[in-house]
Amino acid sequence: KNQVEQSPQSLIILEGKNCTLQCNYTVSPFSNLRWYKQDTGRGPVSLTIMTFSENTKSNGRYTATLDADTKQSSLHITASQLSDSASYICVVSDRGSTLGRLYFGRGTQLTVWP
Amino acid sequence: EADIYQTPRYLVIGTGKKITLECSQTMGHDKMYWYQQDPGMELHLIHYSYGVNSTEKGDLSSESTVSRIRTEHFPLTLESARPSHTSQYLCASSDEGTANEQFFGPGTRLTVL
Repeated sequence: KNQVEQSPQSLIILEGKNCTLQCNYTVSPFSNLRWYKQDTGRGPVSLTIMTFSENTKSNGRYTATLDADTKQSSLHITASQLSDSASYICVVSDRGSTLGRLYFGRGTQLTVWP
Repeated sequence: EADIYQTPRYLVIGTGKKITLECSQTMGHDKMYWYQQDPGMELHLIHYSYGVNSTEKGDLSSESTVSRIRTEHFPLTLESARPSHTSQYLCASSDEGTANEQFFGPGTRLTVL
């Protein structure tokens, strides 16, 4: 069964600190993995995309890693800001369908305190 | 920011009412999707469309229906709303050139009393 598991479920950190969010998946055949940021009451917005051959991808203070052998990904946030408070969702796409089916994790709810 | 719009943003209605949630995109994308999301839970695909006059049911069974008469418009209708329909509904779109990246609208928060 294709699944995406994220940890931790929630996380509270102080402004300026770093944090790392985890994602494990069983989706096969794998196409790509995205991290989305979802602000409260808004739709998800893509932060990074990684394909099978990529190990790391950065977008400003966000750095994603991918280990396709162990089917694990992480999202590292550096020097957190209050605006980073949001849900971070790991989304894996399979390449076995023309639809481009996406499998969503439940997200990690990050809260950044001043 | 993606050019995909949803209205209304918030809707509170009584049981038994018919409602239509609107979704429009100006990117010319062929594929459009409707997701349902409850707090702290993953998004569940309820409907999708490959293009005009194409609609399919998603993974999660839903009593809602959709139509795709125009490329840019993908409305979702509930003929008789019930409290169990209370949820957040997210619309998204994509096309072949976006590597399966789906662009999401801001969502409609539906509450059925």
